[in-house]
Amino acid sequence: DAMVIQNPRYQVTQFGKPVTLSCSQTLNHNVMYWYQQKSSQAPKLLFHYYDKDFNNEADTPDNFQSRRPNTSFCFLDIRSPGLGDAAMYLCATSRGVVSYNEQFFGPGTRLTVL
Amino acid sequence: GQQVMQIPQYQHVQEGEDFTTYCNSSTTLSNIQWYKQRPGGHPVFLIQLVKSGEVKKQKRLTFQFGEAKKNSSLHITATQTTDVGTYFCAGIRSGGSNYKLTFGKGTLLTVNP
Repeated sequence: DAMVIQNPRYQVTQFGKPVTLSCSQTLNHNVMYWYQQKSSQAPKLLFHYYDKDFNNEADTPDNFQSRRPNTSFCFLDIRSPGLGDAAMYLCATSRGVVSYNEQFFGPGTRLTVL
Repeated sequence: GQQVMQIPQYQHVQEGEDFTTYCNSSTTLSNIQWYKQRPGGHPVFLIQLVKSGEVKKQKRLTFQFGEAKKNSSLHITATQTTDVGTYFCAGIRSGGSNYKLTFGKGTLLTVNP
């Protein structure tokens, strides 16, 4: 089945220690997104790629970076995680076409910062 | 920037009762989407509304898009325990990026069996 896969599902890191989260998709979608979701809150868009075109949200901290080496993979790098970065990180994809822009979410990576 | 407000934040019902969540945007939307997130899960797409005044049904779920394309609602008839979860509306701003959603804060529905 076509899907969005995130690894790892759970990640524990230490304060200030860089961490990378990964996302892959078999849907061949043009757009890939990274969201941060804290408990009982809505997903907050961090950035997205349309193909290789990177789009950063204005309020996304510089601490967060992303890479999309090819259509299928996208990475979220947190350079120096703080306690406030503990959250669920959701990857999503969409076709990027007006009539077909529903988003497909992966299962998420829950990040704990000690 | 665009804001999408959603009420209520929480709703607890007895099984069999109806449920409605409302969504209101500060700007005109080109379309609105609804997602359901089960506890411990990830958001799952339910439906997209595009036309002014559009009404769509999925079994016990009825979705409406306002005439001015600034508000929307989701109504569940005769709730079941399987309806438990957080329902998010998410809008695409008219004239903005066609693939960037602004999520409402969601309505957490709990159902007492």
